[in-house]
Amino acid sequence: NAGVTQTPKFRVLKTGQSMTLLCAQDMNHEYMYWYRQDPGMGLRLIHYSVGEGTTAKGEVPDGYNVSRLKKQNFLLGLESAAPSQTSVYFCASSYSNPYNEQFFGPGTRLTVL
Amino acid sequence: KQEVTQIPAALSVPEGENLVLNCSFTDSAIYNLQWFRQDPGKGLTSLLLIQSSQREQTSGRLNASLDKSSGRSTLYIAASQPGDSATYLCAVKGSGAGGTSYGKLTFGQGTILTVHP
Repeated sequence: NAGVTQTPKFRVLKTGQSMTLLCAQDMNHEYMYWYRQDPGMGLRLIHYSVGEGTTAKGEVPDGYNVSRLKKQNFLLGLESAAPSQTSVYFCASSYSNPYNEQFFGPGTRLTVL
Repeated sequence: KQEVTQIPAALSVPEGENLVLNCSFTDSAIYNLQWFRQDPGKGLTSLLLIQSSQREQTSGRLNASLDKSSGRSTLYIAASQPGDSATYLCAVKGSGAGGTSYGKLTFGQGTILTVHP
């Protein structure tokens, strides 16, 4: 059981470049989330998904897109990266019951120059 | 809007001390509260999950309490060790007007704990 995995672990982009972060979970969780963590701001929710084929905006969705074509995968895309998107990105998943805990991946450290 | 505050921001203690980390939240309408540990450059490891109907949870040397009506939780660490050094985060899952069943977590800023030998 790998839990929640994220690829890549590190990435450096130039302003305007695009990239996709991949999150995978093997726990058959319905819900998946993308957070970003910034110094002084804590973790903030970017987008989330309550099931295969569904996505919704969180607190800070601008500049990001997501897709959930398969239940086990949740992709986060940056179409035109900006320095303000330099951050550590965490994926999480949980069962649909709101009383269940969320499990987090190891994170992706992204730097946009 | 739910806000979560953790005090202190940083704590340094000698090995062997018992210590308490504090977490407060502004909206008592919650499903549960989760305590996490984060090592430098690493992800979040879930330590304890307390449901809104519970008063406390224990795991080894860790004990977390919850007073939902006053919007407070504490994480008690007994007989601290250098290996406990990390950032500790608390997060609440709101069930009121500011939260939904999809499980949005609102995080505090964390407490950086250093346990020195």
